[in-house]
Amino acid sequence: GENVEQHPSTLSVQEGDSAVIKCTYSDSASNYFPWYKQELGKRPQLIIDIRSNVGEKKDQRIAVTLNKTAKHFSLHITETQPEDSAVYFCAATYSGGYQKVTFGTGTKLQVIP
Amino acid sequence: NAGVTQTPKFQVLKTGQSMTLQCAQDMNHEYMSWYRQDPGMGLRLIHYSVGAGITDQGEVPNGYNVSRSTTEDFPLRLLSAAPSQTSVYFCASSTTWYDEQFFGPGTRLTVL
Repeated sequence: GENVEQHPSTLSVQEGDSAVIKCTYSDSASNYFPWYKQELGKRPQLIIDIRSNVGEKKDQRIAVTLNKTAKHFSLHITETQPEDSAVYFCAATYSGGYQKVTFGTGTKLQVIP
Repeated sequence: NAGVTQTPKFQVLKTGQSMTLQCAQDMNHEYMSWYRQDPGMGLRLIHYSVGAGITDQGEVPNGYNVSRSTTEDFPLRLLSAAPSQTSVYFCASSTTWYDEQFFGPGTRLTVL
């Protein structure tokens, strides 16, 4: 099955700086890669996703890049704000099979005002 | 739309007790799943369903049962609770497994 590794497990940045979280996946067939944000005590919510037919996707201050050859994808947050503080999870799955979504172990991001 | 709902929000069980965690969605999603969340381990898939009458095991299915008699409901049963099942449980639903998943508010379960 699929295996997803996520780094770093914790990340502290100054407000206004950028944050980058990286994930690697094991199965080259995987073609859907979502990112979820979970605020303290809340449920995970999708913030951005990318499919394997594109290499990059942006939504305001958030972007995701995908390198299919190296089997890794990254979340980029620019101009970080205190409200970006949360746990972020990457995930991977394959639309043609699996029927399961495999999550990374999460990154706790702290934005210091 | 209520989205995905879960009950109860909190539950304390004694070792050996059984219980059912309820999950319902009103978005007509075919795909539903149960995850457990433990510190440092992310979200681990327990069971999933691709439609009414169809269920399958995820990564950590031991000690749990599921059924899917309707599109809306996907209950998770703990057969004989163990302290290792102390966790936060999330139910999620989506159109397919390769689309955005919508999570319920979670159930915090403690097994003594």
